[in-house]
Amino acid sequence: AQKITQTQPGMFVQEKEAVTLDCTYDTSDPSYGLFWYKQPSSGEMIFLIYQGSYDQQNATEGRYSLNFQKARKSANLVISASQLGDSAMYFCAMREGRSGGSNYKLTFGKGTLLTVNP
Amino acid sequence: DTGVSQDPRHKITKRGQNVTFRCDPISEHNRLYWYRQTLGQGPEFLTYFQNEAQLEKSRLLSDRFSAERPKGSFSTLEIQRTEQGDSAMYLCASSLMGQKNEQFFGPGTRLTVL
Repeated sequence: AQKITQTQPGMFVQEKEAVTLDCTYDTSDPSYGLFWYKQPSSGEMIFLIYQGSYDQQNATEGRYSLNFQKARKSANLVISASQLGDSAMYFCAMREGRSGGSNYKLTFGKGTLLTVNP
Repeated sequence: DTGVSQDPRHKITKRGQNVTFRCDPISEHNRLYWYRQTLGQGPEFLTYFQNEAQLEKSRLLSDRFSAERPKGSFSTLEIQRTEQGDSAMYLCASSLMGQKNEQFFGPGTRLTVL
């Protein structure tokens, strides 16, 4: 079974509007971390936002927020006030287990290509 | 501000040749990772170092692949006897131990095997 599922291969949004990118995950570990990365056409993976499984509040970083619904195992990324520079691939990733332990590697989804239209 | 750097950025080689890639992590980061990304997919974990110790190798990493981090700083990834299926983007990332363990990625090395 896929550990990270991103069901939207592509999304379009008008500049200045908000957009939600979907991510569901599968783990039996009670301790895990969820990450979102942006990958522009240049190829570099840019860290956007992190949510820990025990965090009580949804993570926010500027225009990025993570809609964390633990019971549904979903961790959707919300980008507010989209900008043309937001056009890129977006990847959801998970680290299973505690960070200080032996678990460290990230498992990525297949990504969503976001296009922001002027 | 020096992030993760990788060299070369692009490599074209003929099948059967050996190639070596270098990664320089963020200086204070003690963890270093290699991932491989093929077209239309997310990155896949290859291997991980904590300081100079290689603590895990994915089964994706065949015997033709070897990685080192001799002094706990930069790392090299070597592929021997390259095959066309090795064509991919090879990404390096580094992190500090901590709650998030957020990984910072380099720009990647794009390998094309002809």
